[in-house]
Amino acid sequence: GENVEQHPSTLSVQEGDSAVIKCTYSDSASNYFPWYKQELGKRPQLIIDIRSNVGEKKDQRIAVTLNKTAKHFSLHITETQPEDSAVYFCAASNSNSGYALNFGKGTSLLVTP
Amino acid sequence: AAGVIQSPRHLIKEKRETATLKCYPIPRHDTVYWYQQGPGQDPQFLISFYEKMQSDKGSIPDRFSAQQFSDYHSELNMSSLELGDSALYFCASSLVLYNEQFFGPGTRLTVL
Repeated sequence: GENVEQHPSTLSVQEGDSAVIKCTYSDSASNYFPWYKQELGKRPQLIIDIRSNVGEKKDQRIAVTLNKTAKHFSLHITETQPEDSAVYFCAASNSNSGYALNFGKGTSLLVTP
Repeated sequence: AAGVIQSPRHLIKEKRETATLKCYPIPRHDTVYWYQQGPGQDPQFLISFYEKMQSDKGSIPDRFSAQQFSDYHSELNMSSLELGDSALYFCASSLVLYNEQFFGPGTRLTVL
């Protein structure tokens, strides 16, 4: 089955700096890669996603890049704010498994003022 | 906009009891997924339904079963509860054509 690895497990940045979280996946059939933000005790919230036919996608301060050959994708957050502090999960899925999400272990991001 | 609804939000059970969790997907969504999230862990896929048929099965114990009804709501039935079943249980729904999964607020199950 699919195995998703995520790094780093914790990340601390100063407000205004950029944050980068990286994920790798193992199943070459995976073709949909969402990122979720989860605050303590709350639901995972979809913040951005990318499909395998696209190399990069941007939404305001958030961008995601995908390298299909290397089987890795990354989340980039620019101009970080304290409210960006949360746990971020990457995930991979494909049609073979009905698009069930295989999550990475998560990155705990702390943005200090 | 309407979101995924889950009930109950909190549930406390004793060992060996049964529990039923309910999920009401976003209107017109055709797919429902169930995930289990232990403390400090990532969500683990349990089971999914597409158009009321089981679509895929993950790490769901044999003690658990689920179904999707004609109105598209889904129920997760859990029997012979164990201490290790204590977790947050999320339901997510999507339109299979677009893949994006939107999560409900979760049910926090505590087994004593």
